[in-house]
Amino acid sequence: NAGVTQTPKFQVLKTGQSMTLQCAQDMNHNSMYWYRQDPGMGLRLIYYSASEGTTDKGEVPNGYNVSRLNKREFSLRLESAAPSQTSVYFCASSEGQGGSYEQYFGPGTRLTVT
Amino acid sequence: AQSVAQPEDQVNVAEGNPLTVKCTYSVSGNPYLFWYVQYPNRGLQFLLKYITGDNLVKGSYGFEAEFNKSQTSFHLKKPSALVSDSALYFCAVRDIGGRGSTLGRLYFGRGTQLTVWP
Repeated sequence: NAGVTQTPKFQVLKTGQSMTLQCAQDMNHNSMYWYRQDPGMGLRLIYYSASEGTTDKGEVPNGYNVSRLNKREFSLRLESAAPSQTSVYFCASSEGQGGSYEQYFGPGTRLTVT
Repeated sequence: AQSVAQPEDQVNVAEGNPLTVKCTYSVSGNPYLFWYVQYPNRGLQFLLKYITGDNLVKGSYGFEAEFNKSQTSFHLKKPSALVSDSALYFCAVRDIGGRGSTLGRLYFGRGTQLTVWP
């Protein structure tokens, strides 16, 4: 049982380049989330998917898009990377509404945009 | 709107001494509260949660948390700290729903760096 997996672990991009961060969970969870973590800021929600087929914006969605590919996978895309998107990105999942609400996190992707 | 505050950026404690990491919350209705721990270069790990019931909640690695409704607090505690407990700790509260909300979303505090010295 791998839990939540993320790829890649590290990435360096030049300004304007695009990339997709991949996330998968094997816990049969309904809800999935993308956060970014910056020093002193805690975790800020970028996008979430309450259930398969739905996605919604969090508090910092600008510059990002997401796809809930199926129940297991939730990807985050940066269309045109900017230095302000340098951060550590975490994917998380939870059972969702009607179930247990604690979230389980992946190991993170450390992204640097130069 | 729901929120949590962690008033201390850093907590330092000697090994073997009790530790407390503070958290206060603001929520309309009954709170669902969580504690997470993050070791360097790792994702967050769930420690414990309060949903309802006993005000003292026991979790992983010997940690416990005390829910205090009158003080709107949910402090994390451990009777005897270990050097290996040194990490970043986050308190979180669940969005309870309602207009414009994100049911199930967690709101995180900014984190408290715990250092336990030998």
